[in-house]
Parts: sequence; C-alpha cells; structure tokens
Amino acid sequence: EVQLVESGGGLVQPGRSLRLSCTASGFTFGDHSMSWFRQAPGKGLEWVGFIRDRGSGGTTQYAASVKDRFTISRDDSKSIAYLQMNSLKTEDTAVYYCTRGYNTPSYWGQGTLVTVSS
Amino acid sequence: EIVLTQSPGTLSLSPGERATLSCRASQSVSTYLAWYQQKPGQAPRLLIYGASSRATGIPDRFSGSGSGTDFTLTISRLEPEDFAVYYCQQHANTPRSFGQGTKLEIK
Repeated sequence: EVQLVESGGGLVQPGRSLRLSCTASGFTFGDHSMSWFRQAPGKGLEWVGFIRDRGSGGTTQYAASVKDRFTISRDDSKSIAYLQMNSLKTEDTAVYYCTRGYNTPSYWGQGTLVTVSS
Repeated sequence: EIVLTQSPGTLSLSPGERATLSCRASQSVSTYLAWYQQKPGQAPRLLIYGASSRATGIPDRFSGSGSGTDFTLTISRLEPEDFAVYYCQQHANTPRSFGQGTKLEIK
C-alpha cells in the first residue's frame, strides 16, 4: 500500500526557516517524481513545486511565489522527500501536502500544517 | 501562467440529481486536465485525469469531458458522499495551476 507521511510542520516566526519531510512507503521511491502542494486556511489548492526522479534528471521546478526561498530535495536511500522553506512569510501559512508524481498525483499525504506568525 | 476558471462557485443540488461543473482554461491545455474532490479535513482525491479517464476506484457516475479550453465534470446521480469541493488542475505546463473550486452543497 502506497503511503506518504508528511512531518515537520509547526509554528514559526516570519523570516525563519523550516524543513518538511515526506516519508514514503509501499513503492520504489527512486522511480518516481515527487511534488509538494499547499492549501492556505479556507482557500484553494496551490502547486509549490516538484523534483523529478533521478532517471529523469532529478531536476526541480517551483512556483514563482516560492522560487529562491524553497528548495525540494530527495534522499532515495531513505525514501524521503524534503521541502526546505527559508525566509518564511505569513502568506506561507498553509497545510502542505506531498504527492507521488508531478502531473496528476493520485497519492497524497495527509498534510502538515505550517503556521507563520510572530 | 495558465489560469483556470471554475463555474459555478457553489452548486446546490439534491441527492439523485445530476451535477455539471465547468472549468475553462485561459489557453489550450489539450487534454492535460484533471479533477479532484476534496472533503473537509482531507487531502484531495483524484477523480479524472486526461480530461476523461477515471482514476482507479472512482465510480462510473463521475465522468469528464472536454479538450482545449473547456472542460466539464459530470456526476450523473448524486450520492450523499459526493457533496464536497471540486477542483480542476492543468499539467500542460508549469506552473501547474488549479481552478478556484466549486462547492457542491446539499439543497
């Protein structure tokens, strides 16, 4: 059974950093690209970015709103995808989801809440 | 950036009725369009990909159609569990984008 579990969320002050983890199981992690999405409280869904699998170059792409502040990486030996978030802003407050794939993901984690507030 | 516009914003129907949800893209996305269902406190659930293909385990009362810029999600006969928020999403290019959502509520 495919499982994705996000962790690392919490309350953080504006300007600080936070790293989210997405621990995967039930499939060969290294064969799949991974994506991050987010949803601000009471709002719609927003794509954050993705990282391709190593066989596809392992490259990344990001939304304009997070580019140069957020970095997606992966550790295939541990089956974990990461979202490093720097220079956090209040508008980054959201539930963050990781997913398998980067087109139309059918597997999503349960999400982890990040609250950016002083 | 491709903008997706969903209509209506809210749809009030009764169980057993037919629901028709629309999604319009600001430029052609071919058939690189998906539909998701989201219930409160839950992650989105993929319903339709490739504009018209049902995802694994999705009941056949859900159907998708369209190509280019105009797309439709149809729920043939509403069940109580279908009342939720529905999003369309394009993956024709980056940035990936979503519509603002249609809330399907019980009348």
